[in-house]
Amino acid sequence: NAGVTQTPKFQVLKTGQSMTLQCAQDMNHEYMSWYRQDPGMGLRLIHYSVGAGITDQGEVPNGYNVSRSTTEDFPLRLLSAAPSQTSVYFCASSPRRWGNSPLHFGNGTRLTVT
Amino acid sequence: AQTVTQSQPEMSVQEAETVTLSCTYDTSESDYYLFWYKQPPSRQMILVIRQEAYKQQNATENRFSVNFQKAAKSFSLKISDSQLGDAAMYFCAYRTSGRGAGGTSYGKLTFGQGTILTVHP
Repeated sequence: NAGVTQTPKFQVLKTGQSMTLQCAQDMNHEYMSWYRQDPGMGLRLIHYSVGAGITDQGEVPNGYNVSRSTTEDFPLRLLSAAPSQTSVYFCASSPRRWGNSPLHFGNGTRLTVT
Repeated sequence: AQTVTQSQPEMSVQEAETVTLSCTYDTSESDYYLFWYKQPPSRQMILVIRQEAYKQQNATENRFSVNFQKAAKSFSLKISDSQLGDAAMYFCAYRTSGRGAGGTSYGKLTFGQGTILTVHP
């Protein structure tokens, strides 16, 4: 019972490099999302998806790209890493797009951009 | 846009005592859901309790209970008989129902800033 799987757990990038954070869920969840966690700011929504082929921007989308070609996968791409993107990133999913189902979270990726 | 505020950056409690964590939110919606999540040092996000706005009865899960005041837009978490394992960061979160006008709000979850809870033996 894997749930939400995020890889890698840790990553260090140089400014300007690009990379993809992977997220996969095996629960056939409709809704998937990416959050970043910064001290004193809680978790902020980057992008989300309500199904394969459907994505939309959250609160802090700049510098990030997403796609959802399958129900299971929702990768997050950093196009040109900046020190301001140093953060902990969480992928989360829920069975339905509507509100009463709680999010299931991955274990997070700690990203450092130097 | 909805906002969630946790005004207590840090709280502490003695083992076996009771502690209450505060949360307020701002919304113009009548149909929504509220959650408390726990994040221990392992970084894992764990659902503690949830409350539906249309329910007047406060949710309870074992030692965890909430005081939901809809008119005041307040959603506090009470932890009874605190244990060392309760030490963690606690996040209050608001989720839209998504069934609003235009249907464009797809159940997005908005978090507060978090409260670090320390439990003293």
